[in-house]
Amino acid sequence: EAGVAQSPRYKIIEKRQSVAFWCNPISGHATLYWYQQILGQGPKLLIQFQNNGVVDDSQLPKDRFSAERLKGVDSTLKIQPAKLEDSAVYLCASSRSGGHNNEQFFGPGTRLTVL
Amino acid sequence: SQKIEQNSEALNIQEGKTATLTCNYTNYSPAYLQWYRQDPGRGPVFLLLIRENEKEKRKERLKVTFDTTLKQSLFHITASQPADSATYLCALADQTGANNLFFGTGTRLTVIP
Repeated sequence: EAGVAQSPRYKIIEKRQSVAFWCNPISGHATLYWYQQILGQGPKLLIQFQNNGVVDDSQLPKDRFSAERLKGVDSTLKIQPAKLEDSAVYLCASSRSGGHNNEQFFGPGTRLTVL
Repeated sequence: SQKIEQNSEALNIQEGKTATLTCNYTNYSPAYLQWYRQDPGRGPVFLLLIRENEKEKRKERLKVTFDTTLKQSLFHITASQPADSATYLCALADQTGANNLFFGTGTRLTVIP
């Protein structure tokens, strides 16, 4: 089966600019996650969707970050305006359902550099 | 505060030896714990899952143990090979939440030929 697709793979922007990332999960996976991975750290969950509804966005900085999953398939994550500390890899993952014991499949990530 | 600590940032071992990586957690009640492998420039790849009521899990050359009393998981790679060189992440799902994973910072393993 095809894996999780993300684009772009790399993005460089100036601070205060806006940026958007796109994710296409594995077909049939109901649950989609966005993670932020700062260099040298483990991934940190930003938001979890179950179909097109938000399950958990408690760690999403809502003053500048937003995410949507229209029609319960693809998802976009937006940052507006970006700050220097947003430089990180943004990982998208999907799983068959949101229950316990579900293996998460990760995409290759988008590396964001904010100058 | 909640913490997930992996024993060392980097671990070097000789090919053929057993690599042992440690994951300790504080102030979590894990329903289960997972181990992932991450290569440079790629997303993490799932390796093994162990539930709170399981002591040990094996898959080929991999073995995971889970001690909820010590609040620790050990991850072993036997007969290590240079291709095993990567960063290994432990992640746990707290019983109080959904399938949200909390990740450790990872251990970068290098297997020397």
